[in-house]
Amino acid sequence: KAGVTQTPRYLIKTRGQQVTLSCSPISGHRSVSWYQQTPGQGLQFLFEYFSETQRNKGNFPGRFSGRQFSNSRSEMNVSTLELGDSALYLCASSSMEPTDTQYFGPGTRLTVL
Amino acid sequence: AQSVTQLGSHVSVSEGALVLLRCNYSSSVPPYLFWYVQYPNQGLQLLLKYTSAATLVKGINGFEAEFKKSETSFHLTKPSAHMSDAAEYFCAVSATGANSKLTFGKGITLSVRP
Repeated sequence: KAGVTQTPRYLIKTRGQQVTLSCSPISGHRSVSWYQQTPGQGLQFLFEYFSETQRNKGNFPGRFSGRQFSNSRSEMNVSTLELGDSALYLCASSSMEPTDTQYFGPGTRLTVL
Repeated sequence: AQSVTQLGSHVSVSEGALVLLRCNYSSSVPPYLFWYVQYPNQGLQLLLKYTSAATLVKGINGFEAEFKKSETSFHLTKPSAHMSDAAEYFCAVSATGANSKLTFGKGITLSVRP
């Protein structure tokens, strides 16, 4: 079956703008998590959604938000972009089995100028 | 809280040599442990996972890892490196399940010399 898809793959924005990234999970997966990857901070957990509810949240400012739709697709939004928001944003989906795995998408590369 | 330490940021081996990438974890509860690989401009691919079953876990591409509770370690090994193994490797821990929040180490870049 198809893997996790993320759109767009690349994005260039300027400081102060806002951006929305999209993630479509593997069919049947109801949990979607988002991670930020930067050279300095590595991979950091942003938030997790399950059945349209945020189940867990990382230590990021309120400018970072997300949501999940009834078809399990998820979006994350970053408002008032800062240069430090430049990163690879990874989405992962999983089933609800604790021994299952998080399957990652290819990521969206965001560059803030 | 959970944390992962990956010693060193870069490992270089010759093709055909043993690959050993170290990972130590800290967890207040029995952990779930993972190794992921990332190739340039790609997402993360699961190599293997430990979910409290067998302590020696075999993964894809000839990799394996051993969970050692006494040493709080989950080192990744491969008997014979291949050029295609050159990538970045991440160790991760989760406290509540393989499908829950992952805490990653800083990653190790593996180079393979011909």
